[in-house]
Amino acid sequence: DQQVKQNSPSLSVQEGRISILNCDYTNSMFDYFLWYKKYPAEGPTFLISISSIKDKNEDGRFTVFLNKSAKHLSLHIVPSQPGDSAVYFCAASAHSGANNLFFGTGTRLTVIP
Amino acid sequence: NAGVTQTPKFQVLKTGQSMTLQCAQDMNHNSMYWYRQDPGMGLRLIYYSASEGTTDKGEVPNGYNVSRLNKREFSLRLESAAPSQTSVYFCASSDLAAQETQYFGPGTRLLVL
Repeated sequence: DQQVKQNSPSLSVQEGRISILNCDYTNSMFDYFLWYKKYPAEGPTFLISISSIKDKNEDGRFTVFLNKSAKHLSLHIVPSQPGDSAVYFCAASAHSGANNLFFGTGTRLTVIP
Repeated sequence: NAGVTQTPKFQVLKTGQSMTLQCAQDMNHNSMYWYRQDPGMGLRLIYYSASEGTTDKGEVPNGYNVSRLNKREFSLRLESAAPSQTSVYFCASSDLAAQETQYFGPGTRLLVL
C-alpha cells in the first residue's frame, strides 16, 4: 500500500508562472518530508525538506508547505523556469530514520518556454 | 569528486543468470542504500547498510543479496534473475547526521528476459 501518494502524474506550466506539486501521505508517524528532483538518465537529487515542527520552508524559488492535519504537502516553484522540467518525487520518513524513507510515484513537470 | 557511481549503466540478462551491481561513493558517508524504481511505484528500498559491516532488509529484499565491501562500496547481487526484477536500480548514500538527505547514483537499467 502506497504510504506517500502523488496523484498527478504530470503537470505543465508556462515559464514564469507558479508550479504547484502536491503530495499526500497516510502514515501519521512521518515527521520529515523531502522533495527530490530527477532528470532523465540521472539519479534523484535532493531539493528541499521540511520537518513536521514547521509548516513552511523556503529555499530560493522553492517553497514547501506542510499541512499535518490534512496529511498533505506541496512544493511551490516561483517563477518556473524551463530547467525545472523534471520528475519530482515526494518522500517521507518516520522518527528521522532514513531506513523508513518512503517515496511517492513522482510528478513530471514540464515548463513551457 | 564523483559522488555516487554505479556500474554497469545497462544490462540485459536471461532468466536464471546472476549478476552483481556495483556502487561506490567518495563522500565518506556511513550509510548506503539500494532502491529499485518501477513504473507507477516510485522508489522502493531493497537493502541498506547503516554503517560498514552491517546490512539490513528494506521493503523489497526478496531475490537480492548485498555486500558492504568497505565504507565506499556497496554491491547488490541477483543470484537467479527473474523478469520481475526488470527495473532501474539506484544506489544512494547519506551522512549519519542527515540520513534522509540521500545522494543518488545515475542508476543501472536492468532488463531480464
